Amino acid sequence: EAGVVQSPRYKIIEKKQPVAFWCNPISGHNTLYWYRQNLGQGPELLIRYENEEAVDDSQLPKDRFSAERLKGVDSTLKIQPAELGDSAVYLCASSLDSRQESTDTQYFGPGTRLTVL
Amino acid sequence: AQSVTQLGSHVSVSEGALVLLRCNYSSSVPPYLFWYVQYPNQGLQLLLKYTSAATLVKGINGFEAEFKKSETSFHLTKPSAHMSDAAEYFCAVGVFGNEKLTFGTGTRLTIIP
Repeated sequence: EAGVVQSPRYKIIEKKQPVAFWCNPISGHNTLYWYRQNLGQGPELLIRYENEEAVDDSQLPKDRFSAERLKGVDSTLKIQPAELGDSAVYLCASSLDSRQESTDTQYFGPGTRLTVL
Repeated sequence: AQSVTQLGSHVSVSEGALVLLRCNYSSSVPPYLFWYVQYPNQGLQLLLKYTSAATLVKGINGFEAEFKKSETSFHLTKPSAHMSDAAEYFCAVGVFGNEKLTFGTGTRLTIIP
């Protein structure tokens, strides 16, 4: 069974440029998460989707960050414009269905390492 | 609100020695607790999780953790360290009905040959 797929794995951009990350969750997983992991820190949740609905985006900086999950499968996270402080690893995770079992196991992708110059 | 504190950002043990990584949590309701491992340039992999069943939880790769409510702890142990255990370990807490996991800052485990 394929795991969570993310692309690109690495991205280097100049500040004020836009950038987008793509995530394909495990087949059949209804819940999708985007996390940001700063250097030397644990992951922090940015947004959680149940199918195509964003049910928790309270930590997403909405002035420059946006996300979508069309058709409830793949998801894209966008930053426009990027700032120096956005340099981090962006992790995508998925789980079966949080409504069936609370705190269901989350499976993580390898992440996208973003460097903003 | 919940939080996690991992004591020791770096831990070094000799190959074959006991591994002990410390995690203390804070939660206003009964918690769900997790240990994840992250190898360089990879995502997080679940080692084990506590969901209010047995207090001693066994995970993959010979790791186990014990939930101690009186001490608000969920320390991770392995009797004999292997070189392949070198990685970053994250403790996380979740709350029933809330899919938001709160992670600790991580502990980097180094194995000395």
